[in-house]
Amino acid sequence: GENVEQHPSTLSVQEGDSAVIKCTYSDSASNYFPWYKQELGKRPQLIIDIRSNVGEKKDQRIAVTLNKTAKHFSLHITETQPEDSAVYFCAASRGSSNTGKLIFGQGTTLQVKP
Amino acid sequence: DTAVSQTPKYLVTQMGNDKSIKCEQNLGHDTMYWYKQDSKKFLKIMFSYNNKELIINETVPNRFSPKSPDKAHLNLHINSLELGDSAVYFCASSRSNYGYTFGSGTRLTVV
Repeated sequence: GENVEQHPSTLSVQEGDSAVIKCTYSDSASNYFPWYKQELGKRPQLIIDIRSNVGEKKDQRIAVTLNKTAKHFSLHITETQPEDSAVYFCAASRGSSNTGKLIFGQGTTLQVKP
Repeated sequence: DTAVSQTPKYLVTQMGNDKSIKCEQNLGHDTMYWYKQDSKKFLKIMFSYNNKELIINETVPNRFSPKSPDKAHLNLHINSLELGDSAVYFCASSRSNYGYTFGSGTRLTVV
């Protein structure tokens, strides 16, 4: 069945450093790859997404890259700040399909030390 | 205005009871979902409805019964609650499976 693997499970960085989270998906028909940030006790919130016709997308300090051939995609956060501390989830789905569903990775707990 | 709202936020109940969670979205999305987040934070899809029609039912025990009276509402009824049902349940909605927006979650504790 469809599966999304996410690494690492925990990541600790110093404020100002970069953080990278990597995901691999199994369903070759997946074409939509969002990333969610979940703070403690809150809902998952969409921070950036990418579609399969694009290899890279950037929004201020956040960037996502996609390698369709290898079925890998990654989240890059530069100049990390303490408020970036949260659990980050990658996900994959068959966008535009009404039978599609968002399959999530296991999550990465990011800690940014001041 | 809250885009996806679900109630209640907290639910503490005894084993064997029946309970319901309600969800409403005002985004005009065509698809709604229930996700379960376990103690290890893993988010797993349970159901999805597209324009009131059940599309996905992910091997969830039949004690769980979703109902969608219209495109903007999706409820979840749970019969004969068990200890293992304790989790956070998130409602979500999307337009054609893009841009999922999640509700604030319902923390269910079965004692």
